[in-house]
Amino acid sequence: RKEVEQDPGPFNVPEGATVAFNCTYSNSASQSFFWYRQDCRKEPKLLMSVYSSGNEDGRFTAQLNRASQYISLLIRDSKLSDSATYLCVVLRLTGGGNKLTFGTGTQLKVEL
Amino acid sequence: GAVVSQHPSRVICKSGTSVKIECRSLDFQATTMFWYRQFPKQSLMLMATSNEGSKATYEQGVEKDKFLINHASLTLSTLTVTSAHPEDSSFYICSAKPTNTEAFFGQGTRLTVV
Repeated sequence: RKEVEQDPGPFNVPEGATVAFNCTYSNSASQSFFWYRQDCRKEPKLLMSVYSSGNEDGRFTAQLNRASQYISLLIRDSKLSDSATYLCVVLRLTGGGNKLTFGTGTQLKVEL
Repeated sequence: GAVVSQHPSRVICKSGTSVKIECRSLDFQATTMFWYRQFPKQSLMLMATSNEGSKATYEQGVEKDKFLINHASLTLSTLTVTSAHPEDSSFYICSAKPTNTEAFFGQGTRLTVV
């Protein structure tokens, strides 16, 4: 089983739609969680950290369920510019230090 | 946010030669640095983790002697692809992580081995 799993998509949605991405992680010792956005042929950029209490940043809402080892990202009122690949990222402490593991990413295409 | 600079952004080399990629944290000291490789339409795959004061930890299946990683200082890490072959052609991205924050990424290096 992969350490971090995501539905690869693509999710094709009309502009203005609400879309949700899910992610599961296998290691209960995971400490920190993030959503990154990656545009084609560019480096990933942090979208938001994910906290147990849930957090919101404008149109984006992230949730963490430690009991179920599940992370979600909700995008409301989708814009064309939201088209990208969204990466679920998990950080845990290992014997060799911190380890950051990426999911395979979920591709979002927002259309007119 | 913090700035991570990766150089070069693009390199083409002949098969059998070695290529060095540099990753610098410009405005913070990086206690941890990560090197990733990304093939087309795939996610980032962690190659190795470099931690301050210790040798790099390589992921399973990554050849230590082929991908030499040196965390020379708290602001510089280098990845050297030795005796490169066409199958090493990929997008290599470094990441640096200050203590207790998220990771920041370099711009990536597109390596083409001909």
